Amino acid sequence: NAGVTQTPKFQVLKTGQSMTLQCAQDMNHEYMSWYRQDPGMGLRLIHYSVGAGITDQGEVPNGYNVSRSTTEDFPLRLLSAAPSQTSVYFCATRSGSNQPQHFGDGTRLSIL
Amino acid sequence: GDSVTQMEGPVTLSEEAFLTINCTYTATGYPSLFWYVQYPGEGLQLLLKATKADDKGSNKGFEATYRKETTSFHLEKGSVQVSDSAVYFCALNDYKLSFGAGTTVTVRA
Repeated sequence: NAGVTQTPKFQVLKTGQSMTLQCAQDMNHEYMSWYRQDPGMGLRLIHYSVGAGITDQGEVPNGYNVSRSTTEDFPLRLLSAAPSQTSVYFCATRSGSNQPQHFGDGTRLSIL
Repeated sequence: GDSVTQMEGPVTLSEEAFLTINCTYTATGYPSLFWYVQYPGEGLQLLLKATKADDKGSNKGFEATYRKETTSFHLEKGSVQVSDSAVYFCALNDYKLSFGAGTTVTVRA
């Protein structure tokens, strides 16, 4: 009963390094999204996908790339990490546009 | 665009007190409305939802009614427990999901 699995749970990077945050789901949901959570700002949408092969930008897409080659996986890539990207990142899925989101446990990312 | 404004915290209560967290929204369509809860160190969990005007969502003693005339979806609980200490997020879903900033609630024994 995995649901939404995010890896890693914690990561520390140096400025300029790249990395990929992984998100995998086993619920066969078409919709997947990446959010970042910062104190006092709620959750802000980074990128989202409405199905395999389809992605679009959210509210704060700069500095991040995504791809959706399968229904199950939706990785988030930081090409050149910056301290402003220090945050908690959540992946979420849902079965339809008007359905509630299912969240992973988050990745806590620190950029030094 | 669509947006959600919720009451700023933090909110500190004693056990068995009444809790209200205000949430208002702006939307061009007819969104579904949600309350999510986040316990320390965890992801967000759906607490309750309402999909159309006058719907009442309820779960774990929490309630919220979708009020189209006041564009509100206030969260209420009649008697809180220490285990209700968490961050609560109001959200609307009209194709994209928009979240409020979150309200931190601490319940003291």
